[in-house]
This record gives sequence, structure tokens and C-alpha cells, in this order.
Amino acid sequence: ETGVTQSPTHLIKTRGQQVTLRCSSQSGHNTVSWYQQALGQGPQFIFQYYREEENGRGNFPPRFSGLQFPNYSSELNVNALELDDSALYLCASSLELGRGGYTFGSGTRLTVV
Amino acid sequence: ELKVEQNPLFLSMQEGKNYTIYCNYSTTSDRLYWYRQDPGKSLESLFVLLSNGAVKQEGRLMASLDTKARLSTLHITAAVHDLSATYFCAVDSKTSGSRLTFGEGTQLTVNP
Repeated sequence: ETGVTQSPTHLIKTRGQQVTLRCSSQSGHNTVSWYQQALGQGPQFIFQYYREEENGRGNFPPRFSGLQFPNYSSELNVNALELDDSALYLCASSLELGRGGYTFGSGTRLTVV
Repeated sequence: ELKVEQNPLFLSMQEGKNYTIYCNYSTTSDRLYWYRQDPGKSLESLFVLLSNGAVKQEGRLMASLDTKARLSTLHITAAVHDLSATYFCAVDSKTSGSRLTFGEGTQLTVNP
């Protein structure tokens, strides 16, 4: 059974650029949630995808968008990057809408300069 | 809006001592999770608590849940240096949709 994998592990972007982060869900999981964790804070919910549809969104602007593919992997896209977008981005996969708990990936560390 | 509060936020303790981390939340919960995070790393699942009175133990850590008081505790027994990390509680509540709402985290340092 493979776990949740995220790519890339680290990246540095310039303010105003766009970035795409990727997440492969654990085998058998059809729900993917994305979280942003700023330094020294708890993770904040960005949005969740269930069976390729967005299923709930946190308090993030529209320049944060996502996709889920038929194999249940997912992408997080952030447009017009701001310095405050620098954070650890965590992906979590689960069975039906969190049933059975959440498995987190190792995260992508994004630095915006 | 669901709020989750942890205290203390910072905890420095000596090896061999006992201590408790508290997690309060503002609405009914369906599941309560405890996670461990080492610096620069992802979240490691420690416990999931499903019902009132639930108690789970793993090694020197024991978690409990009181849904009436909307309170969970993580008790550390005879701390060792390897337990140094940041601990988060997180609530999964149907009233806030299928998502985890995290506390601010408790940064634990265990000194020799």
C-alpha cells in the first residue's frame, strides 16, 4: 500500500508567479484535502476534492484553485503569488470524506521571494 | 465557526516528569485527532478519538476525550527527549463540513 506522495518537496518562486503543487493519494482513497501551514502555526484548510469535485473550501482567495483527476490524484494551483503564501503545503487523502481518518503527505515547502 | 484551542502553546519539561496538554473546541465533534510534527516534517497521526470517554494509549502518551466538556487531553508520562516535537489536536466535525480544524499546536521540549 503506497502512502500519500507530494511533489516537489521544495521550491522557490518570485512574487507574482504561478505555482502548481501535486499530490498522489493513497491507494483506495477518493478524497483529497489541501492545507496551508505557515511557520509556527497550525495547518489551515484550503479545500477538499471528492470524486473529482470540490467539496468545501476554507477562507482562501480564488487565486487558490485545484483539480482532482480520475485516479484521485490532485493539484493545487496558486496564481499571483504573494510573500505570505510562503508556507508548508500539506495534502491529505482519505476514504469517503474523511471516513477512516486522514493520511498526510510529506508536504511541499514553498518560499516566495 | 469551529474553533480549536490548545494550551499551553509552549511546554518545557524535564525528562521523567508528567504533563498534560489540553485541547478545547467550540462545537460538537465527530472525531478528534492528535498529531505529532517534527521540525520541517509532515504530520504523524498519533490517536483518533471517536466517542465520549474514549481513551487511547501508546507508549508514554495517553489521549482522552470528553465530548460534553468539548475537551481532549494528551497526557505525557515520564517524558523522554525523543518526545520533543509539536503536538496538534484537530477536530473533524460534520457541522463544519468534512475537514480538519487544527489547534495552534503545543511545542514540547523535553530537557535531559
